[in-house]
Amino acid sequence: ETGVTQSPTHLIKTRGQQVTLRCSSQSGHNTVSWYQQALGQGPQFIFQYYREEENGRGNFPPRFSGLQFPNYSSELNVNALELDDSALYLCASRAHGGEARGFFGPGTRLTVL
Amino acid sequence: AQRVTQPEKLLSVFKGAPVELKCNYSYSGSPELFWYVQYSRQRLQLLLRHISRESIKGFTADLNKGETSFHLKKPFAQEEDSAMYYCALRLNSGNTPLVFGKGTRLSVIA
Repeated sequence: ETGVTQSPTHLIKTRGQQVTLRCSSQSGHNTVSWYQQALGQGPQFIFQYYREEENGRGNFPPRFSGLQFPNYSSELNVNALELDDSALYLCASRAHGGEARGFFGPGTRLTVL
Repeated sequence: AQRVTQPEKLLSVFKGAPVELKCNYSYSGSPELFWYVQYSRQRLQLLLRHISRESIKGFTADLNKGETSFHLKKPFAQEEDSAMYYCALRLNSGNTPLVFGKGTRLSVIA
């Protein structure tokens, strides 16, 4: 079991609302990545943060945004929620330049009605 | 763009039978390849990676650059191997993210 935690576990929102998901990285890890895993799909890269700055982004619109804090915890914000945003959101932390694999959190299940 | 293909959504095998989960990738460079596993009600976790050349829980995977494949194999399946398996690659440069396949559900029948 890794030290990456995510909150909340589950969340239900309605279309058009905004949501904030949180991730606490494993101790010593300064890089965090966020992934979206739709039902029946593999995880898709949203973006990555290192030293509180975004340093990589996947094919997601600007309404997906993030923050990384000095303690390396992180947030994923999604504005103007759409039905297709319903998915499991995973964060993964790693040390910059360290082992490539990343350690994943348990995920937040977001349902948009 | 990099892509990972897992052609089988579901693979059912009998206990004790050999298992092969297929993974093909498209990338012109030299990526790092991984297999991740997700057991029921558990988080995604690394099973093995090609650079380690390791065997974990009896599973092995060999990178075939000529065929751009990284198939996962186990000679004798066990019931506890039932899970979702994801193949992933990472560009072997910089701090790049993982690119995942869609996954294969392995079901081992007693």
